[in-house]
Amino acid sequence: SAVISQKPSRDICQRGTSLTIQCQVDSQVTMMFWYRQQPGQSLTLIATANQGSEATYESGFVIDKFPISRPNLTFSTLTVSNMSPEDSSIYLCSAEGGRMVGAFFGQGTRLTVV
Amino acid sequence: GENVEQHPSTLSVQEGDSAVIKCTYSDSASNYFPWYKQELGKRPQLIIDIRSNVGEKKDQRIAVTLNKTAKHFSLHITETQPEDSAVYFCAASKWGRDDKIIFGKGTRLHILP
Repeated sequence: SAVISQKPSRDICQRGTSLTIQCQVDSQVTMMFWYRQQPGQSLTLIATANQGSEATYESGFVIDKFPISRPNLTFSTLTVSNMSPEDSSIYLCSAEGGRMVGAFFGQGTRLTVV
Repeated sequence: GENVEQHPSTLSVQEGDSAVIKCTYSDSASNYFPWYKQELGKRPQLIIDIRSNVGEKKDQRIAVTLNKTAKHFSLHITETQPEDSAVYFCAASKWGRDDKIIFGKGTRLHILP
């Protein structure tokens, strides 16, 4: 399997600010995704990060709040904009394709908004 | 879109006994069904997967079965051990079509001493 590095691993942010989370894969992958996971809950897909085009967002998530970049086949960023305490959660990137069989996850970013 | 239902939400079994987690999916076009294990504070880890062209797959103490007609798939863990305690997620996707993976709500498995 590939190595997926995500950073930061955690952060405490002031409401109204923005945080950008980075996800780096050590090999080229076809698909990259961003998920949100509340403690003890399942994974909710935010969007699919498309290389060279706009991300595809799931219902309830919009680009203005969660802008996503994917400049190449190994890297993606998720920005959580104008944060409120309700955005406190764990954010996970995921990648599949290339030499990977199945989808693999980064270690997650634990975000606390105060 | 795809919807994955998972049961039970919590499962407790005696160490050494077997555990079974069941999932159903709604989209008959789904053809890839991975299972993930997530320990507390860690990322989900892929433990086993099955594609729609097979009915069963085994890897040591874990096995998955798939019934395409009924749109059911299950995870079986035999001879459970304390380290099997975790949250398990089933998922479904359309492999080869660059499609997203949809997760069930998870099963918290407790292995009792």
